Amino acid sequence: KAGVTQTPRYLIKTRGQQVTLSCSPISGHRSVSWYQQTPGQGLQFLFEYFSETQRNKGNFPGRFSGRQFSNSRSEMNVSTLELGDSALYLCASSLGTSGRGHEQYFGPGTRLTVT
Amino acid sequence: EDQVTQSPEALRLQEGESSSLNCSYTVSGLRGLFWYRQDPGKGPEFLFTLYSAGEEKEKERLKATLTKKESFLHITAPKPEDSATYLCAVQAGDSNYQLIWGAGTKLIIKP
Repeated sequence: KAGVTQTPRYLIKTRGQQVTLSCSPISGHRSVSWYQQTPGQGLQFLFEYFSETQRNKGNFPGRFSGRQFSNSRSEMNVSTLELGDSALYLCASSLGTSGRGHEQYFGPGTRLTVT
Repeated sequence: EDQVTQSPEALRLQEGESSSLNCSYTVSGLRGLFWYRQDPGKGPEFLFTLYSAGEEKEKERLKATLTKKESFLHITAPKPEDSATYLCAVQAGDSNYQLIWGAGTKLIIKP
């Protein structure tokens, strides 16, 4: 079974620009979560989508947005980039259904550098 | 408030020196506790899921256990390739499926 894929793997942008990152979940998984990770910081939760609806949202400004398509693929967008947005952006997929907790499987991440 | 705390922040061991990492949690109604391993610059790799107190899971040199308040990740006779950051996450019953993450324990195994 193919794992979670993220594109692009590396990205360099200039302050003020916007960026779109893409994530393809494991086949059959309906939940996609996005995280930001910076050096020395833990995983900072951005948002989670389940069946094309945002189910949870972290404490990030409105410049960070996302969406999920009917095939469960997800994109996240960051507008008006700031230097502090430089980070590893991770996507994770899970079954996301009710009942027992379901583990999340992570992609390799997109390394975003803002100059 | 739901909370997950990992200790220690960092741990240095000699190759072959067994030890344990701790993940303590305060949540309403545990749905699942998850352990991950993360290498620098990579996405976390799933290790174990534990659902109820008394449950244990093993994989190679790793063994995860769960009580009503905490989980331990025991590492037996570690090797340098076990060096990584180990993350713990919890899904609570009232969390709308969102995971609550600990800050991780950075494990360094010296040859």
